[in-house]
Amino acid sequence: EDQVTQSPEALRLQEGESSSLNCSYTVSGLRGLFWYRQDPGKGPEFLFTLYSAGEEKEKERLKATLTKKESFLHITAPKPEDSATYLCAVQVYSSASKIIFGSGTRLSIRP
Amino acid sequence: DGGITQSPKYLFRKEGQNVTLSCEQNLNHDAMYWYRQDPGQGLRLIYYSQIVNDFQKGDIAEGYSVSREKKESFPLTVTSAQKNPTAFYLCASKGGQGNSYNEQFFGPGTRLTVL
Repeated sequence: EDQVTQSPEALRLQEGESSSLNCSYTVSGLRGLFWYRQDPGKGPEFLFTLYSAGEEKEKERLKATLTKKESFLHITAPKPEDSATYLCAVQVYSSASKIIFGSGTRLSIRP
Repeated sequence: DGGITQSPKYLFRKEGQNVTLSCEQNLNHDAMYWYRQDPGQGLRLIYYSQIVNDFQKGDIAEGYSVSREKKESFPLTVTSAQKNPTAFYLCASKGGQGNSYNEQFFGPGTRLTVL
């Protein structure tokens, strides 16, 4: 069964303290891996798509990387406004119209 | 501006009532989706539609129904058969055909509460 697991469930950092969020996946064939940011009471906002192992994407303080079994979302020198839930999702070859989501990591940045 | 709209933002339902959540997109996307999100959990797929007049059940379709009469619209009805409907409902759309890599874009969500 295709599965996506995110860790940790919650992460509290001090402003400026860099860290990484993990998304591990077990799927029959990966077509694409997506990262989203979700603020409380709002819909997810698209951040990145990664297609193949070794690929990296960057946006401001965020960098997403992909291996054959997992993806990392690295956050460098975070600010309080980076506080949100970060969701990982995958698209698989066997059912390309369906996107499978992880349960997310709640990130809190203290000033 | 292109995007996805959902209405209403908040919805209250009495037990035994059917309610319909609206989702409209002007992105010219073929595929549309409905997800349910419970506190502290990820998104669970209710229904999806790849083209007009066609839709498929997701992982938790029981107690829900949909229609796709127009490309822009994908309303979700929460029926009285859904025993625990209190949740945050998200609509999404995706461009291209079913085998493309395109990411999903989400609406702002509807919070449904059963009284």
